[in-house]
Amino acid sequence: GAVVSQHPSWVICKSGTSVKIECRSLDFQATTMFWYRQFPKQSLMLMATSNEGSKATYEQGVEKDKFLINHASLTLSTLTVTSAHPEDSSFYICSAPVQSLYNSPLHFGNGTRLTVT
Amino acid sequence: KNEVEQSPQNLTAQEGEFITINCSYSVGISALHWLQQHPGGGIVSLFMLSSGKKKHGRLIATINIQEKHSSLHITASHPRDSAVYICAVRSVNTDKLIFGTGTRLQVFP
Repeated sequence: GAVVSQHPSWVICKSGTSVKIECRSLDFQATTMFWYRQFPKQSLMLMATSNEGSKATYEQGVEKDKFLINHASLTLSTLTVTSAHPEDSSFYICSAPVQSLYNSPLHFGNGTRLTVT
Repeated sequence: KNEVEQSPQNLTAQEGEFITINCSYSVGISALHWLQQHPGGGIVSLFMLSSGKKKHGRLIATINIQEKHSSLHITASHPRDSAVYICAVRSVNTDKLIFGTGTRLQVFP
């Protein structure tokens, strides 16, 4: 079945540094990748939608200069948390539809737990 | 009030019990998803529904579009079913997924 590989699975960084999270589609072409954030015991919240070859679409309240998204190829999308602060500590997870958005099952990466000290 | 509500929030069961998790939503939808989130955080898609009923192994998902309600059933529950089960709907207005807060299930041997 379709697989989305996400790395790293966890990362601890110091305040002010940047962290890059990668999501790769291993056996299909992901023209679209969704990036979510999940705080403890809360729902997944969509941060942004990345599309291969074009600019990402950010949800209201998500700073595009802080959460840089790049989707340079059909198999790789990256999220970079720039100048990380403790309040950015969260669980970040990506998801890609295999087929069209409207009738496709969801395929998720395993997530990245970010801790900013 | 959240647009997607799940109940119960927490559920414990003995191995072998029949389990039901409920999801109610208040928006128009094009599809409803049931997801399983493991303790490590990884998420697996269980079902995608737009009508009726689907079955996969010991899992059954049903949806009633008129009542805006879906249920996930687990027959003959097993400790490995312990996870958080999340209901998510795709809004016809925004085309975006709206997630419930999840139901934490623990199945004891």
